Amino acid sequence: KAGVTQTPRYLIKTRGQQVTLSCSPISGHRSVSWYQQTPGQGLQFLFEYFSETQRNKGNFPGRFSGRQFSNSRSEMNVSTLELGDSALYLCASSLVGSYSTDTQYFGPGTRLTVL
Amino acid sequence: GQNIDQPTEMTATEGAIVQINCTYQTSGFNGLFWYQQHAGEAPTFLSYNVLDGLEEKGRFSSFLSRSKGYSYLLLKELQMKDSASYLCAVKSLWGGGYNKLIFGAGTRLAVHP
Repeated sequence: KAGVTQTPRYLIKTRGQQVTLSCSPISGHRSVSWYQQTPGQGLQFLFEYFSETQRNKGNFPGRFSGRQFSNSRSEMNVSTLELGDSALYLCASSLVGSYSTDTQYFGPGTRLTVL
Repeated sequence: GQNIDQPTEMTATEGAIVQINCTYQTSGFNGLFWYQQHAGEAPTFLSYNVLDGLEEKGRFSSFLSRSKGYSYLLLKELQMKDSASYLCAVKSLWGGGYNKLIFGAGTRLAVHP
């Protein structure tokens, strides 16, 4: 079974720009969660999507948004980029997500650098 | 509130055994996960504990004591490829059946020859 895939793997943007990241979950998985990982903060939860609906959201500003498509693929968008948005963005998929104790499987991440 | 503590860094020698501890404070505990993350790569699932006791998977074992809010990951016969960060993550049950997953900051393990 193919794992979680994320594209692109690396991105360099400048302040004020916007960026869209993509995540394809493991086949059959309906929940996709997004995380931001930085050396100082560790893994911080952004949001979770299930059946095309945002189910939960972490403490991030409204510049961070996402969506999920009918095939469970998900995209994450960050508008008006700031230097502090430089991070590794990870997506994780699971069968049914946060209303269960099933395991999350992570993709390789997108390394975003904001200059 | 919710809090997860694990040591920031550890070093060990190839062939040895190392124990990485994780302590947590949470209400509605509903399971604890360990993930391994090599530099620049995705976290990969290692183990899941929800009941007290030891779960063994080859060279890796994970232990949980819910009454003490404590878990450890035991790595035996260390290999150089075990050099990685190890993340402890706790699921806690909130209202409405929602489980919140909180990650610790991770423990960076360096294995030396």
